[in-house]
Amino acid sequence: KQEVTQIPAALSVPEGENLVLNCSFTDSAIYNLQWFRQDPGKGLTSLLLIQSSQREQTSGRLNASLDKSSGRSTLYIAASQPGDSATYLCAVRRKKTSYDKVIFGPGTSLSVIP
Amino acid sequence: GAGVSQSPRYKVAKRGQDVALRCDPISGHVSLFWYQQALGQGPEFLTYFQNEAQLDKSGLPSDRFFAERPEGSVSTLKIQRTQQEDSAVYLCASSRIIAGYTDTQYFGPGTRLTVL
Repeated sequence: KQEVTQIPAALSVPEGENLVLNCSFTDSAIYNLQWFRQDPGKGLTSLLLIQSSQREQTSGRLNASLDKSSGRSTLYIAASQPGDSATYLCAVRRKKTSYDKVIFGPGTSLSVIP
Repeated sequence: GAGVSQSPRYKVAKRGQDVALRCDPISGHVSLFWYQQALGQGPEFLTYFQNEAQLDKSGLPSDRFFAERPEGSVSTLKIQRTQQEDSAVYLCASSRIIAGYTDTQYFGPGTRLTVL
């Protein structure tokens, strides 16, 4: 059974600092891994999606890496801003089928202090 | 539509009451997912629809939970005889199917259910 964990559970950093969020999964047989952002009272917003054949994806100040063999992914946020404060969730999808459920981690709550 | 919408946004129910949560997916999205998110946890899969067909309901925690999507668009998640452990945020997501494969899921804002 696929299990997804995230470390740390919560993180508080001063504005401008670079930071890394970690995600681990137990079954390396994944189709893709996705990082989401969740703001209080709002739904999830997809940030980056990495296919199993890829090593990393970048979008602006965000960079996500994937090491499928070790079951790990990291989300790197450069030059953090107060607007980055949110909960960050990683999620893995097992198979490339017309439908497949996504397994989420518990999230990392990030607070960027001005 | 512009995005996935859910209603109500907040629902308070007394234990034992029945509740119905509505999801309006993005127009044209074939796939629709329901998730349950407990406080401090990631969302957990409840059920999946492809058009009006409920292809997977393995995540529904008990037979008190029932979901439907009769016309392949709007979906309703119904919880009968609510219990305190049902308190959670219920998220709906929709996606297209491209070449037989599910595309990126777009999430609604969720319904926060509190059972007293």
